[in-house]
Amino acid sequence: EVQLVESGGDLVQPGGSLTLSCAASGFTFANSWMSWLRQAPGKGLEWVANIKPDGSGTYYVDSVKGRFTISRDNGKNSLSLQMNSLRVEDTAVYYCVRSGREWGQGTLVTVSS
Amino acid sequence: DVVLTQSPLSLPVTLGQPASISCRSSQSLVNSDGNTDLAWFQQRPGQSPRRLIYAISNRDSGVPDRFSGSGSATDFTLKISRVEAEDVGVYYCMQFTHWPHTFGQGTKVEIK
Repeated sequence: EVQLVESGGDLVQPGGSLTLSCAASGFTFANSWMSWLRQAPGKGLEWVANIKPDGSGTYYVDSVKGRFTISRDNGKNSLSLQMNSLRVEDTAVYYCVRSGREWGQGTLVTVSS
Repeated sequence: DVVLTQSPLSLPVTLGQPASISCRSSQSLVNSDGNTDLAWFQQRPGQSPRRLIYAISNRDSGVPDRFSGSGSATDFTLKISRVEAEDVGVYYCMQFTHWPHTFGQGTKVEIK
């Protein structure tokens, strides 16, 4: 069974930093595209970042480019999202997603003073 | 960015009756391989999204056959043949032909 477990969500002040993690199991992590998506409270879904199976390529939505960094450790079956210069509008539930199909339960990031 | 426009945004349905959701794309979603990367997701209240349909019309494992997808290029439809109580939630179309991948606004399905 595919399992994706996110952690690291927290309350942070504008301008602050946070790192999210995702522990993956139940599939061959090293063969899978992985992504972070988010959903602001009461709003729709937004794709944030993608990373290739071997980590050789990363892709970001314009609103987070230069502030967020997606990375992976295939030896540990883990995915990360380093978030810097956080803004109020980054407040959302962040989901770890495998190949656009399986989703974790999400972790809440709140950016507020 | 590719804009996906769903309609209606709210869909009250009587139990046992059919429901249909439209998704229109601002650009063709046919990729360089000739495939179309359009999927449908269901998000029940308080839950993570779940993929129902991929590549326009392929049901994911465990998805009831009352759900079906159709369409081509820029026009797509999700149909529920007979709505059940467990189908309440928000439905999203999503494209991953073009980066950034984008979602429709969501259609809220509720029981009348």
